Amino acid sequence: GENVEQHPSTLSVQEGDSAVIKCTYSDSASNYFPWYKQELGKRPQLIIDIRSNVGEKKDQRIAVTLNKTAKHFSLHITETQPEDSAVYFCAADSGGYQKVTFGTGTKLQVIP
Amino acid sequence: DAGVIQSPRHEVTEMGQEVTLRCKPISGHNSLFWYRQTMMRGLELLIYFNNNVPIDDSGMPEDRFSAKMPNASFSTLKIQPSEPRDSAVYFCASSREGGNTEAFFGQGTRLTVV
Repeated sequence: GENVEQHPSTLSVQEGDSAVIKCTYSDSASNYFPWYKQELGKRPQLIIDIRSNVGEKKDQRIAVTLNKTAKHFSLHITETQPEDSAVYFCAADSGGYQKVTFGTGTKLQVIP
Repeated sequence: DAGVIQSPRHEVTEMGQEVTLRCKPISGHNSLFWYRQTMMRGLELLIYFNNNVPIDDSGMPEDRFSAKMPNASFSTLKIQPSEPRDSAVYFCASSREGGNTEAFFGQGTRLTVV
């Protein structure tokens, strides 16, 4: 089955700085790589996703890159703001199994 | 649409009791997932349904856990008998088509077994 590893587990940055979270996956058949944000006490919500036919995708201050050869993908948040503080999860689908495996999460703290 | 609806939001029960968690997925979504979230183990997939049929239950921890989806608009996760180590937040999520489309999560059920 799919195995998704995520680093770092915690990340503190100053407001305005950039934050990068990295994930690796094991299943070469994976094609869909979503990122979810979970604020304290709330549900995970999708913030951006990428499919294997593209290498990069941007949405305002958030970008995701994918390297299928190396089986890793990353989340980049620029100009961080206090409201970016949350736990971020990467995930990868499992090809034919049609399910998503989540990474262990990164707790991001943006210091004002 | 009101999104994925879970009930109850909080459940406190005594060890050995039966617990039933409920979920109403988004209308039109054909995939439903049950997840368990703890500090130690993160977000774990317990079971996944597609068109009301259980596809993968390899994440169900043991026979005390069971899940059903009698129709497209309702699913249950049952724990019988419950144990303190079952204490966690249980999320239900639905997606339009399997694991390669966005999953919409319910607000979760915080279960405490004392």
